[in-house]
Amino acid sequence: GENVEQHPSTLSVQEGDSAVIKCTYSDSASNYFPWYKQELGKRPQLIIDIRSNVGEKKDQRIAVTLNKTAKHFSLHITETQPEDSAVYFCAARRRSGDDKIIFGKGTRLHILP
Amino acid sequence: EPEVTQTPSHQVTQMGQEVILRCVPISNHLYFYWYRQILGQKVEFLVSFYNNEISEKSEIFDDQFSVERPDGSNFTLKIRSTKLEDSAMYFCASSERGVTDTQYFGPGTRLTVL
Repeated sequence: GENVEQHPSTLSVQEGDSAVIKCTYSDSASNYFPWYKQELGKRPQLIIDIRSNVGEKKDQRIAVTLNKTAKHFSLHITETQPEDSAVYFCAARRRSGDDKIIFGKGTRLHILP
Repeated sequence: EPEVTQTPSHQVTQMGQEVILRCVPISNHLYFYWYRQILGQKVEFLVSFYNNEISEKSEIFDDQFSVERPDGSNFTLKIRSTKLEDSAMYFCASSERGVTDTQYFGPGTRLTVL
């Protein structure tokens, strides 16, 4: 089955700097890659997603890149702000509809003042 | 904006007791899911449900677990005889097939088994 690896497990960046979180997946049939942000004690919230027919997607300060050949995808947050502090999960899914989402282990992002 | 809701927010139970966790998915969604997250760990898939039957289940979802859509709005997860290792946050999610693949998560139920 699918396996999603995520690095780093913890990341501290100075406010205003950029943060990059990297993930790899194992199932070449995966074609949908969402990123979720989870604040302490709260639900995972979808922040951005990318499908396998696209190499890059951007939404304001957040961007995601996908390299299908290498089975890598990354989250980039620019101009980080204190409210970006949270745990970020990458995930992969094989097809649309009812297939399960396989999550990475998460990255705890700390934005330092 | 419509949201997935879950009740209760926190459930404390004794080992061996049955618990039912409740979810109300977004109203026009057709696919429903349960995930769990043990404290400090990643979110793990338990089961998916469509058209009144289980679509897929993980190895975690053994005979002690069951799901049901008893009416047009609720989606429940039952654990028949809880174990200490069932203590976790349980998230319900739903998605609308054919329009978007996004799964929207509920706020979770924290289950504590004593």
